[in-house]
Amino acid sequence: ETGVTQSPTHLIKTRGQQVTLRCSSQSGHNTVSWYQQALGQGPQFIFQYYREEENGRGNFPPRFSGLQFPNYSSELNVNALELDDSALYLCASSLASGFTDTQYFGPGTRLTVL
Amino acid sequence: DQQVKQNSPSLSVQEGRISILNCDYTNSMFDYFLWYKKYPAEGPTFLISISSIKDKNEDGRFTVFLNKSAKHLSLHIVPSQPGDSAVYFCAASGGGAQKLVFGQGTRLTINP
Repeated sequence: ETGVTQSPTHLIKTRGQQVTLRCSSQSGHNTVSWYQQALGQGPQFIFQYYREEENGRGNFPPRFSGLQFPNYSSELNVNALELDDSALYLCASSLASGFTDTQYFGPGTRLTVL
Repeated sequence: DQQVKQNSPSLSVQEGRISILNCDYTNSMFDYFLWYKKYPAEGPTFLISISSIKDKNEDGRFTVFLNKSAKHLSLHIVPSQPGDSAVYFCAASGGGAQKLVFGQGTRLTINP
């Protein structure tokens, strides 16, 4: 069983640009959640997708959007990048929706916005 | 509004002794609590969880205690081992809001 993978590992963008981060869930996991972790802070929940539908969202503006595909891959898209978007972005997959089922995290993508 | 707080940024414990990590929350609607461990350059790894209908859950060396009246939970690690050195996050969910709220983390260092 392969783990959760994310790409790219690191990314540098400039303010105002758009970025797409990718996640490959464990096979069979219908749920993917995305988190933003700023330096020295805990992860902040962005949103969760279950069977390709958004299933919950944290306090993030609409310029943060996502997609989940039938092949257990997913994307996080961020438009109009701001300096404060610099962070580690984590995805986590699980079998069931919600948070009582064990989530398996990927290693993250480090985004730097200049 | 920090709904889940870990007030100790760091903790140092001698190998073999007990490590106690603490977490406080403000939202009384939270009904499910989790602890994660994170090593550098890796994603968080699930450790142990507890539902609000329980006040204790054990898994090997790890025990989580929940005090609902105080809105406080703690993670006990006994005995502590060098491989336990990591950042520990508590997290909470529930109350109808489909989201998971993390604390800021506590860096645990186990000294030989």
